[in-house]
Amino acid sequence: GEDVEQSLFLSVREGDSSVINCTYTDSSSTYLYWYKQEPGAGLQLLTYIFSNMDMKQDQRLTVLLNKKDKHLSLRIADTQTGDSAIYFCAESYAGRRALTFGSGTRLQVQP
Amino acid sequence: GAGVSQSPSNKVTEKGKDVELRCDPISGHTALYWYRQSLGQGLEFLIYFQGNSAPDKSGLPSDRFSAERTGGSVSTLTIQRTQQEDSAVYLCASSLANAGGNEQFFGPGTRLTVL
Repeated sequence: GEDVEQSLFLSVREGDSSVINCTYTDSSSTYLYWYKQEPGAGLQLLTYIFSNMDMKQDQRLTVLLNKKDKHLSLRIADTQTGDSAIYFCAESYAGRRALTFGSGTRLQVQP
Repeated sequence: GAGVSQSPSNKVTEKGKDVELRCDPISGHTALYWYRQSLGQGLEFLIYFQGNSAPDKSGLPSDRFSAERTGGSVSTLTIQRTQQEDSAVYLCASSLANAGGNEQFFGPGTRLTVL
């Protein structure tokens, strides 16, 4: 079965870059996603990448995909206190539109 | 435009009671999903509706859980004879059926507490 894993916690200083990592096991993944969840709120889709891409950039966000190693990362440049949240990676694959989520990485930004 | 809405935002019930949770998807979105977020279990898929097709119920944890979607829009998730382990945040999401990226947009969730 599919499995998505993330580290639980990351602490950075304001202005630094944050890198949140994710590994997955399903080689047939078609799309991989990053969601953000602030306290008491639902999930906000940040960005996603198609599995035949290896990089996607969107303003301060950079997604890197290493399909050989089944490794996905999200880099947040110039991290701000407003970026403090839980970040979830997720995958979907052909034939299954439901998403499989990792356990989430709590990002704490120190002022 | 309006996003996905869910009601109630919070529900406290007693063990053994039935509960109904409601989801209003984004207008025009034909795909609707229910997920559950609980401590120790992370986010898990429950059920998926797509248009008039038979729903994918593969994530429902027991036969106490059921869901329906009337008129291809609003969905109700029903939990019968609630148990304490049903306590969680229930999240609904919707997407365009033909969205290449299968981008799913989530509602704020319903926090269910079973006493």
